[in-house]
Amino acid sequence: DAKTTQPTSMDCAEGRAANLPCNHSTISGNEYVYWYRQIHSQGPQYIIHGLKNNETNEMASLIITEDRKSSTLILPHATLRDTAVYYCIVRPSNTGNQFYFGTGTSLTVIP
Amino acid sequence: GAVVSQHPSWVICKSGTSVKIECRSLDFQATTMFWYRQFPKQSLMLMATSNEGSKATYEQGVEKDKFLINHASLTLSTLTVTSAHPEDSSFYICSARDYLAGVNTGELFFGEGSRLTVL
Repeated sequence: DAKTTQPTSMDCAEGRAANLPCNHSTISGNEYVYWYRQIHSQGPQYIIHGLKNNETNEMASLIITEDRKSSTLILPHATLRDTAVYYCIVRPSNTGNQFYFGTGTSLTVIP
Repeated sequence: GAVVSQHPSWVICKSGTSVKIECRSLDFQATTMFWYRQFPKQSLMLMATSNEGSKATYEQGVEKDKFLINHASLTLSTLTVTSAHPEDSSFYICSARDYLAGVNTGELFFGEGSRLTVL
């Protein structure tokens, strides 16, 4: 039931900003956008989430378009440890809080 | 962030045996936990929602009699793979949400995963 579309893979040079796009054109008004990442053979790690305003924390920034149909996760200074699969998830607020994962974007940070 | 712990991290068993995987929320209480399965090079697939004190809710296509879920306390959910076969070999991941967090805003915390190999 994933309602997001992400590029399959991306590369980013170490030290540069990594911009990961996500399309969620069918998002509903009360659905949040969550970002998680999964490093190989580990459980997913929470990064950030937002509703309609841009958000920033110690890990990343989340930019949500005004119409909320797409968003971008920004890792400001990518390091080799940021190599992972990044998942953008739209979370319905009235169906038991389940998270349905799409295919995600495999980000490779290149030295 | 909150910690979710799974045990065992990996397990190898013979075909036909049953395997139990535990999922614990270490520093918060979780009325709801979720179980996922992940095959190599694929995304996480939600298997079931585990509700404390009641029956689990299974996703379409997941056999409830094969994947037994018990959520006996606010900090522990178990997944038992019964009569395991090689095709059940996978990475099983649990997650939980702090029930005190807001319904619309609380993030899910994930365990480290349990890798099951059925010979």
